[in-house]
Amino acid sequence: DAKTTQPTSMDCAEGRAANLPCNHSTISGNEYVYWYRQIHSQGPQYIIHGLKNNETNEMASLIITEDRKSSTLILPHATLRDTAVYYCIVRVDRNAGNMLTFGGGTRLMVKP
Amino acid sequence: DTGVSQDPRHKITKRGQNVTFRCDPISEHNRLYWYRQTLGQGPEFLTYFQNEAQLEKSRLLSDRFSAERPKGSFSTLEIQRTEQGDSAMYLCASNRGGALNTEAFFGQGTRLTVV
Repeated sequence: DAKTTQPTSMDCAEGRAANLPCNHSTISGNEYVYWYRQIHSQGPQYIIHGLKNNETNEMASLIITEDRKSSTLILPHATLRDTAVYYCIVRVDRNAGNMLTFGGGTRLMVKP
Repeated sequence: DTGVSQDPRHKITKRGQNVTFRCDPISEHNRLYWYRQTLGQGPEFLTYFQNEAQLEKSRLLSDRFSAERPKGSFSTLEIQRTEQGDSAMYLCASNRGGALNTEAFFGQGTRLTVV
């Protein structure tokens, strides 16, 4: 699975959009971009995933560049409860299993 | 609450003792995963079951570690002769595989402290 690079930490004001970048320059054509987050003292939580097209769900939007070498997770109106570590993971969505390779993630601090 | 339960939530043990953790996945999920997370790091994959079959083991899973899922429902992770380096959060996750593949749902983890 391709390696990802994320900033170690970011701050965001409550109510503003949080834009979390991820670089995955070695991504292969059959690899998906996944985002998980981990709130303190909890297990990771799935947010969203995509292959080529931009995706949106009730939690967030995922913007993938045309060359697929980077992506941005957007939390449109960040709240204090969005303070967490956000992990960008690139992997083949093989049916054999869903093993995830987590990196260090980005620690997002949402401030009042 | 994701529906994945882990017990106990916290365990303190003396070095050299054996410990066992339990994970109850979401009932219709046929796949179950164990991860380990040390402070400040992302979770690391340990092992994976499909029903009762253990299909993959990470090289992180030393001989002192054993995992079972005897009836394809709950799973146990045992660590024998614990060492201080085993201190970590042990996370369990489950999902439904196959044509109706779902994403993994994680439990809240068992925090192990070896003293």
